[in-house]
Amino acid sequence: NAGVTQTPKFQVLKTGQSMTLQCAQDMNHNSMYWYRQDPGMGLRLIYYSASEGTTDKGEVPNGYNVSRLNKREFSLRLESAAPSQTSVYFCASSEDRGRGYTFGSGTRLTVV
Amino acid sequence: AQSVTQPDIHITVSEGASLELRCNYSYGATPYLFWYVQSPGQGLQLLLKYFSGDTLVQGIKGFEAEFKRSQSSFNLRKPSVHWSDAAEYFCAVGKTSYDKVIFGPGTSLSVIP
Repeated sequence: NAGVTQTPKFQVLKTGQSMTLQCAQDMNHNSMYWYRQDPGMGLRLIYYSASEGTTDKGEVPNGYNVSRLNKREFSLRLESAAPSQTSVYFCASSEDRGRGYTFGSGTRLTVV
Repeated sequence: AQSVTQPDIHITVSEGASLELRCNYSYGATPYLFWYVQSPGQGLQLLLKYFSGDTLVQGIKGFEAEFKRSQSSFNLRKPSVHWSDAAEYFCAVGKTSYDKVIFGPGTSLSVIP
């Protein structure tokens, strides 16, 4: 089925470890986004990519880096994980923001 | 700055009853407005959106929402709730189609059989 695929679905990291969350979409969308979801806070934008080759910071970029590898793929990297990064991470894509987003099913990350 | 509030953290309704979820935003002009639904363990799914024109918009799964400029509101409604509607609902706002979208904190809906 067409959509946004995120891997892995679950991950446990120790403080200080690094990891990359992968996201791929097959809808030929230009824009891609990374959000984190925490209880009572809705979704907060970490980074976004309006088009292939461009990336921009969102509301909460500290501690993260991103790569827009090609039009399909947009990865999120945690260089040195901290317990405050325990969250559910969602990748989304859109043709343009006005049409709404298509979300992946999320990655539940726990940092101990 | 843009902001989105959803005054109700949690709502419980009986199956078959009507539903209204509230959303208020802070922005000077007419924004792009969205409602999303998130089932447990899933990503978010777009229910409906409003940009301009008719202030009553229809979405999927029998939901509708009404834009009221005077109240800066975009409330979500459904005339008869089904048990499968139990989920988290998020209102979201964007200034233009190319500006970032801000999500509200969400309203959790429980449905009593």
